[in-house]
Amino acid sequence: AQSVTQLDSQVPVFEEAPVELRCNYSSSVSVYLFWYVQYPNQGLQLLLKYLSGSTLVKGINGFEAEFNKSQTSFHLRKPSVHISDTAEYFCAVSLDSGAGSYQLTFGKGTKLSVIP
Amino acid sequence: NAGVTQTPKFRILKIGQSMTLQCTQDMNHNYMYWYRQDPGMGLKLIYYSVGAGITDKGEVPNGYNVSRSTTEDFPLRLELAAPSQTSVYFCASSYRDRNEQFFGPGTRLTVL
Repeated sequence: AQSVTQLDSQVPVFEEAPVELRCNYSSSVSVYLFWYVQYPNQGLQLLLKYLSGSTLVKGINGFEAEFNKSQTSFHLRKPSVHISDTAEYFCAVSLDSGAGSYQLTFGKGTKLSVIP
Repeated sequence: NAGVTQTPKFRILKIGQSMTLQCTQDMNHNYMYWYRQDPGMGLKLIYYSVGAGITDKGEVPNGYNVSRSTTEDFPLRLELAAPSQTSVYFCASSYRDRNEQFFGPGTRLTVL
């Protein structure tokens, strides 16, 4: 079974500073990877996803992530954060084929707090 | 499109009461899911459905039941509410496997 580890439960960062949210996964087979964002009192929405192809994936709101197969990582980055980026971010993984491949396994989340 | 809608937004139940959380999607998605979210624990899959008439258990199904009589609706039933079921519940749907899941706004349930 696959699993996801988000190494930081909380990340404070000053406005306009860069940020990296870390995500590592464990799986014995190939996977697809996702980052979701949850703003306060809302549901989750997709930021970006890696299915295949280029390992650098660009998403909405200026975020990007890089898939590193050798390090089993999918870290999320943004070069300059804004107050409106304050939210909780979830990394998720699914198998790329086979039974149950549509199911997502989520990490525990990282709360990003942008300080004015 | 309204996307995925959930009702109610909030609910307080007494121990032993029952209730149904409603979920509807208007995107003609085959796959639908119920998750619960507890602080610091991420999302855990309760039940899922790959089409009308087909449901299956996820990681934490105990204390819950589901049905899927139509493509659009996927209600979640709590029969005997317990304090351990205090959580935020999210419904989601997807068009096909390995694709993006679309989430509803959630139902915040408290069992006292």
